[in-house]
Amino acid sequence: SAVISQKPSRDICQRGTSLTIQCQVDSQVTMMFWYRQQPGQSLTLIATANQGSEATYESGFVIDKFPISRPNLTFSTLTVSNMSPEDSSIYLCSAGGGRGGYNEQFFGPGTRLTVL
Amino acid sequence: EDKVVQSPLSLVVHEGDTVTLNCSYEVTNFRSLLWYKQEKKAPTFLFMLTSSGIEKKSGRLSSILDKKELSSILNITATQTGDSAIYLCAVESNFGNEKLTFGTGTRLTIIP
Repeated sequence: SAVISQKPSRDICQRGTSLTIQCQVDSQVTMMFWYRQQPGQSLTLIATANQGSEATYESGFVIDKFPISRPNLTFSTLTVSNMSPEDSSIYLCSAGGGRGGYNEQFFGPGTRLTVL
Repeated sequence: EDKVVQSPLSLVVHEGDTVTLNCSYEVTNFRSLLWYKQEKKAPTFLFMLTSSGIEKKSGRLSSILDKKELSSILNITATQTGDSAIYLCAVESNFGNEKLTFGTGTRLTIIP
């Protein structure tokens, strides 16, 4: 299984500012993903971080709001831009284990973001 | 649009009881179904199911997939307070892109 670290683990930010969340995997992985979990809700996929190309965003999420970098096969960042209180959520990155071609996704510890 | 529904939404039982959590799905090109346990922030992987009728087991937890009924169950026997968590079901569809669609989860509370 992949071991994934994320930082920061939590932050409190002011409206209108931006926060960049980092995700590091202990092995090379093809796919990395960014999810959002709003209070009391399940996980919603924001985008797939592709190495060497632009991220693929899900419906309702745009690059201007959630720019993503994927400079290599073990690292990715997600920026939450021009934040508002509605962006208060847990942000999680995940990576596929890829064993046998199936996707056992493993998750980082998450970043709890509060926007005031 | 892919859809995953879990039931019940919440469940409160006494320590020692056995519980069954349900997950049903509507996805195109089903590939696999995964169960996760979420206690604080990060979901931790429990099982991945790809074939109908084959039970996966880990200690007191077990799970099985029914592709005909488009559903899966997660059983926990002899529950302990440490089993209190949100249990998430996710489905992977569309061969190759590894995207998961998550259900809303079942919040399980074990009373000592």
